[in-house]
Amino acid sequence: GAVVSQHPSWVICKSGTSVKIECRSLDFQATTMFWYRQFPKQSLMLMATSNEGSKATYEQGVEKDKFLINHASLTLSTLTVTSAHPEDSSFYICSAGLAGAGDTQYFGPGTRLTVL
Amino acid sequence: AQRVTQPEKLLSVFKGAPVELKCNYSYSGSPELFWYVQYSRQRLQLLLRHISRESIKGFTADLNKGETSFHLKKPFAQEEDSAMYYCALSGGGGADGLTFGKGTHLIIQP
Repeated sequence: GAVVSQHPSWVICKSGTSVKIECRSLDFQATTMFWYRQFPKQSLMLMATSNEGSKATYEQGVEKDKFLINHASLTLSTLTVTSAHPEDSSFYICSAGLAGAGDTQYFGPGTRLTVL
Repeated sequence: AQRVTQPEKLLSVFKGAPVELKCNYSYSGSPELFWYVQYSRQRLQLLLRHISRESIKGFTADLNKGETSFHLKKPFAQEEDSAMYYCALSGGGGADGLTFGKGTHLIIQP
């Protein structure tokens, strides 16, 4: 149980285009999902908290107009990188919390974004 | 600001030797502490959390509030323990994202 999927697993796009990444909780409902970013050989950095039915909460330094988050249902959150640039190339990972499990989070496999 | 420090980027020990991965944290309150593990080409997965006080795959971790530490220990390392280990912290409450340490790459030599 508590499986989180992400789609796509990798994407290559041209500079200036927008890319959407989906995060789904497959066998449980998640009112809260989280988006992280991981640069090569570095740790995960929390970008934003995605709340079902309300606006996302962004960490300091993360541009909310650039990284659009939508959490339209209890099993799906999407991250759209708008007008992507090469410096946005990174590994994007989502996670979801399971009710009754405190702050334990279950992670998706990640999405490798490469912007040319 | 909350912070998690893992001082060792790389730790190499021989099979059968004891392992200790260090983690120190900074947080003004009562945090929840976790150890996550990432095996080669796999996603991040929970190893253990301090409030469970359980042993997973032979690993244990005790929260020491006086020293603000949550070191991960295993008495006898196995080759399959080779992986990336991340210590993480949350503020509690069920709606907080995690603050991760930089991770320690554990290599178990045969």
